[in-house]
Amino acid sequence: QQQVKQSPQSLIVQKGGISIINCAYENTAFDYFPWYQQFPGKGPALLIAIRPDVSEKKEGRFTISFNKSAKQFSLHIMDSQPGDSATYFCAAPLPNTDKLIFGTGTRLQVFP
Amino acid sequence: EAQVTQNPRYLITVTGKKLTVTCSQNMNHEYMSWYRQDPGLGLRQIYYSMNVEVTDKGDVPEGYKVSRKEKRNFPLILESPSPNQTSLYFCASSFGQGAGDTQYFGPGTRLTVL
Repeated sequence: QQQVKQSPQSLIVQKGGISIINCAYENTAFDYFPWYQQFPGKGPALLIAIRPDVSEKKEGRFTISFNKSAKQFSLHIMDSQPGDSATYFCAAPLPNTDKLIFGTGTRLQVFP
Repeated sequence: EAQVTQNPRYLITVTGKKLTVTCSQNMNHEYMSWYRQDPGLGLRQIYYSMNVEVTDKGDVPEGYKVSRKEKRNFPLILESPSPNQTSLYFCASSFGQGAGDTQYFGPGTRLTVL
């Protein structure tokens, strides 16, 4: 059973556009929601993270929007650039364990 | 330089031939874990360790073993590899809050089992 559902699987955006990736979860005890960015041939790296006590977190062109009632959180990339082309993963640590659950990933391609 | 290293980076082997993928971190992190990445399935946790001599199963532990004899090392052992273990493997480590903290990933090991 997928505990963190991520969509879309792939996304094509023109340079300057907005990229939006969504994740939904079932377990209301999740309390930390990181996003990881992975470039081809590299390991994932933390991009931005949010805790459920805030509804939004912004770092440069990257924003996480968190909707606690809908049990969803989204990554928005403003003014998308070709250098943003990568695979993005949402994640959440499973409560009362030390397991980390990842979404299935979104491959983003930004064309000039 | 703070990093997680994995060896080998690429490995082709045959069914049943025992192999070990090494993982080492130089950040004095307590939490270490192994993941496999497969198309359409994302990253799935195999095993994790909160500290020396403390290991636990992730979501897909079947066919794998790990050990944590030293804080910096966390090798992944495949006693009898099978073709369904062909995958891209990542080791990761974090400080303090374990799964609830920033994970630092290694560069990956691409394993092919024939």
